[in-house]
Amino acid sequence: AQSVTQLGSHVSVSEGALVLLRCNYSSSVPPYLFWYVQYPNQGLQLLLKYTSAATLVKGINGFEAEFKKSETSFHLTKPSAHMSDAAEYFCAVSDQGGKLIFGQGTELSVKP
Amino acid sequence: EAQVTQNPRYLITVTGKKLTVTCSQNMNHEYMSWYRQDPGLGLRQIYYSMNVEVTDKGDVPEGYKVSRKEKRNFPLILESPSPNQTSLYFCASAKRGKNIQYFGAGTRLSVL
Repeated sequence: AQSVTQLGSHVSVSEGALVLLRCNYSSSVPPYLFWYVQYPNQGLQLLLKYTSAATLVKGINGFEAEFKKSETSFHLTKPSAHMSDAAEYFCAVSDQGGKLIFGQGTELSVKP
Repeated sequence: EAQVTQNPRYLITVTGKKLTVTCSQNMNHEYMSWYRQDPGLGLRQIYYSMNVEVTDKGDVPEGYKVSRKEKRNFPLILESPSPNQTSLYFCASAKRGKNIQYFGAGTRLSVL
């Protein structure tokens, strides 16, 4: 069975600092991995996805994530946080059938 | 504009009063799904549909019904809502063979 664990339900960074949101997955088959972002009072928006091509995936808004099979991780990073990055972030794993399994979410706060 | 539309966005109801949350997509997607989002639990799948007249249970289907009579619509029905169904609900759709799901803006339901 597939599962996703996000380490840290809340992460707080200062504006301009590195953002690192952690995600570990378990899957018995090569996974598809996703990061979604949810801004207040909005639905989920796809940030980036990994589908077995390049292990370093670039997404929107300056975010990127690296797939590390040996560590079963897919951590999300951004070199310099902006106030507008404050949101909740969800990591998700999917198989060929398309069902998404979500992590618990990480709320990112950005301090001025 | 390609979108997934949910209605209503906010709903307060009382225990036992049947309600329907509508979901419509204009992208001709085969796959549609309903999720509920609860704090600390991420998003959990309620029901999904691979195509017209094809529906299946997700991880938390108890107390919910769905139907897929038309490709664009996938309503969620609560025959007898209970307070433990108070949650934030999302509808999503995807093209068959593609793993990217597109989400509606959400419906916040309170059952008193």
